[in-house]
Amino acid sequence: EVQLVESGGGLVQPGGSLRLSCAASGFTFNDHYMDWVRQAPGKGLEWVGRIRNKPKSYTTEYAASVKGRFTISREDSENSVYLQMSSLKAEDTAVYYCAKAIYDSSAYYHMDVWGKGTTVTVSS
Amino acid sequence: DIQMTQSPSSLSASVGERVIITCRASQDLKNHLVWLQQKPGKAPKSLIYGASYLQGGVPPRFSGSGSGTEFTLTISSLQPEDSATYYCQHYNDYPLTFGGGTKVEIK
Repeated sequence: EVQLVESGGGLVQPGGSLRLSCAASGFTFNDHYMDWVRQAPGKGLEWVGRIRNKPKSYTTEYAASVKGRFTISREDSENSVYLQMSSLKAEDTAVYYCAKAIYDSSAYYHMDVWGKGTTVTVSS
Repeated sequence: DIQMTQSPSSLSASVGERVIITCRASQDLKNHLVWLQQKPGKAPKSLIYGASYLQGGVPPRFSGSGSGTEFTLTISSLQPEDSATYYCQHYNDYPLTFGGGTKVEIK
């Protein structure tokens, strides 16, 4: 069974840092791109960023709202992906989900399995 | 960035009714669109990818259609367990963006 389990969420002060982890199982992790998506309380979904796989040099993409503050990395030997968040703001308060991305017949990647999420609260 | 506009933002329908949700994109997506279902307090679940391909395990009462800039999600016969918020999301370019969601309630 494909599983994604996020951890590392919590309460952090504005300007602080936090590192989220996502542990994957049930699939060949190093074949896939991985995404982070967040959802502020009572709001819709916002894509945060993506990390590609080794054949694509682990390159990354980010939403403008987090670029320069957040960094996505992965450790294929541990089947894990990470989201390092710094210079946190109140508006970063959200549930953060990791998702596995798979390519379709046109070789474009879409998210097909999501974790349950971890909650980040930025407040003094 | 590609803007995704869903309509309606909410609807109420009876069990057995046919429900249609529309998603419009500000640019041509070809068929690079997914539909997601999210129940309260739960993670999103992918229902449809490539605009019309059902994810494994999704009931066949769900279907998707469209290409380019206009897409629809149809629930052919609404069931009580379909009460949820539905989102469209494109994957044609970066940044990936989502529609604002459609909340489906059962009458």
